[in-house]
Amino acid sequence: GAVVSQHPSWVICKSGTSVKIECRSLDFQATTMFWYRQFPKQSLMLMATSNEGSKATYEQGVEKDKFLINHASLTLSTLTVTSAHPEDSSFYICSASFGDSQEQFFGPGTRLTVL
Amino acid sequence: GQNIDQPTEMTATEGAIVQINCTYQTSGFNGLFWYQQHAGEAPTFLSYNVLDGLEEKGRFSSFLSRSKGYSYLLLKELQMKDSASYLCAVRPGGYSTLTFGKGTMLLVSP
Repeated sequence: GAVVSQHPSWVICKSGTSVKIECRSLDFQATTMFWYRQFPKQSLMLMATSNEGSKATYEQGVEKDKFLINHASLTLSTLTVTSAHPEDSSFYICSASFGDSQEQFFGPGTRLTVL
Repeated sequence: GQNIDQPTEMTATEGAIVQINCTYQTSGFNGLFWYQQHAGEAPTFLSYNVLDGLEEKGRFSSFLSRSKGYSYLLLKELQMKDSASYLCAVRPGGYSTLTFGKGTMLLVSP
């Protein structure tokens, strides 16, 4: 149980375009979803935390107008990278937790390449 | 601020035992996690410690000392498939937010 999916698994886009990444909890209702970014050989860096129906909480240094997060339901959160640039190329990973669970369940990640 | 330190790389041979250390300084503490991450994949949960002591789960064990801000992950009977990055993560506050270390890349050789 506790499966989290992401779509797409990889995407290549032109500079200046916007890209939407979906994160779904398949067999549980996620009260909280997290978005991380990971550059090569670096650790996961938390970008934002979102609860269903409320605005996301962004970490310091993450531009909320550039990385739009929508947590529309208990099973779906989306991250939109607006006006993407090559420096936004990274591995984006979502995770989800529910209730008082100690664990975060991670999605398989989305590899974004901006040309 | 939060600071989590772990070695960058370790090597070991198949069948051996390896211990990966993690030290942390965080504004609070509400649990420490170990995750395994293969290249290009998302992390997978290995263990969780919130009280001092050793938690054993098959070939993997994790130890925590809160007074020392120290944890280790012990891997026994190493297999080639254990070659991966091992991430130490601390939950500083009462909710689920995690702060990750940079990870330890473990290479298991025949």
